[in-house]
Amino acid sequence: SQKIEQNSEALNIQEGKTATLTCNYTNYSPAYLQWYRQDPGRGPVFLLLIRENEKEKRKERLKVTFDTTLKQSLFHITASQPADSATYLCALEAPNDYKLSFGAGTTVTVRA
Amino acid sequence: DSGVTQTPKHLITATGQRVTLRCSPRSGDLSVYWYQQSLDQGLQFLIQYYNGEERAKGNILERFSAQQFPDLHSELNLSSLELGDSALYFCASSPRGSPDTQYFGPGTRLTVL
Repeated sequence: SQKIEQNSEALNIQEGKTATLTCNYTNYSPAYLQWYRQDPGRGPVFLLLIRENEKEKRKERLKVTFDTTLKQSLFHITASQPADSATYLCALEAPNDYKLSFGAGTTVTVRA
Repeated sequence: DSGVTQTPKHLITATGQRVTLRCSPRSGDLSVYWYQQSLDQGLQFLIQYYNGEERAKGNILERFSAQQFPDLHSELNLSSLELGDSALYFCASSPRGSPDTQYFGPGTRLTVL
């Protein structure tokens, strides 16, 4: 069956360090992989989308890589700040499929 | 603020009852998606509408139904409610130019007692 796994439920890091989150998937051939941020009790907020033929994408302090051979995406937050504390979700969309499948999320806490 | 609005913000009801959740997509967006988020199941896709027509269906229970109206707002109807239906229900919409980017509303928190 299809599965999306995010590396750990929680990640605690010191301000200024880089947070690295992992998203692994099985039995998927995604056309796109997306990362969302979710704050407690609020809706997810779209951060980045990376296509199957792209290796890396950047947006400000965020970087996403996508390895379709390893079936893995890495999400990096560089120079982390306490305001980056949130839950980060990865989501996959298969070709010609209009629905997103989400991982369980990783909660990042950045200590000042 | 994503531009997607959902009402009500909170809903408390009893088992066996029926409720309707409402969503207005961002101006100009034709697609509406519904998701359920519970502690044990995570964020689960329920159903998608595009310009009034059902386009994709996830693991939506038969007790649940949805529709999208000509003005593009959408309603999710939940009936014969059970304790396990307690969850956050999110609506999202996507723009025509970037159909793979979804903008989520603030959600409706449903509590079934």
